[in-house]
Amino acid sequence: AQSVSQHNHHVILSEAASLELGCNYSYGGTVNLFWYVQYPGQHLQLLLKYFSGDPLVKGIKGFEAEFIKSKFSFNLRKPSVQWSDTAEYFCAVNIPGNTGKLIFGQGTTLQVKP
Amino acid sequence: EAGVAQSPRYKIIEKRQSVAFWCNPISGHATLYWYQQILGQGPKLLIQFQNNGVVDDSQLPKDRFSAERLKGVDSTLKIQPAKLEDSAVYLCASSIPGEQFFGPGTRLTVL
Repeated sequence: AQSVSQHNHHVILSEAASLELGCNYSYGGTVNLFWYVQYPGQHLQLLLKYFSGDPLVKGIKGFEAEFIKSKFSFNLRKPSVQWSDTAEYFCAVNIPGNTGKLIFGQGTTLQVKP
Repeated sequence: EAGVAQSPRYKIIEKRQSVAFWCNPISGHATLYWYQQILGQGPKLLIQFQNNGVVDDSQLPKDRFSAERLKGVDSTLKIQPAKLEDSAVYLCASSIPGEQFFGPGTRLTVL
């Protein structure tokens, strides 16, 4: 069965520090990849997605992610975090042509100290 | 554009009681999903509808959970009877090709 693994459960950074959150998936075929964010008290919202093409994807609020097919990875990055980036981040995959369901990782809680 | 609406936002019940959650998707979205998110875990799909037909309910505990989507719009998810391990946030999402939009969720506590 397909699965998604996020390496870090809880990350604490100071403002202006660089961020990289790891995400690996287990599936040998083509996948669509997503990062969702959940700010405190808010609903899940899409940060960025990758379907095909340039493996470096840019999303909202200065986030980007790189798809490395050989490593089955889709790591999320931001060069300089802000206090407002404090949130929970979820990596998810979807199998194209399948039902459309998302398979989520367990999430990473990011705490940014001002 | 209005988002996915869910109610109630919070519910506390005792084990063996019944509970129902309601979801109103974004207008025009044919696909609707119910996910269960247990504390410390990512959301897990319970059931997926395409219009008013079920596409995937392989992870739905059918002995206690049921869901319907009448007229292909609103949906309800029911648990009867509830168990302690059903304590979770129940998320509804609707989608266009390539993106799912999530509602605020219903936080269920089973005592």
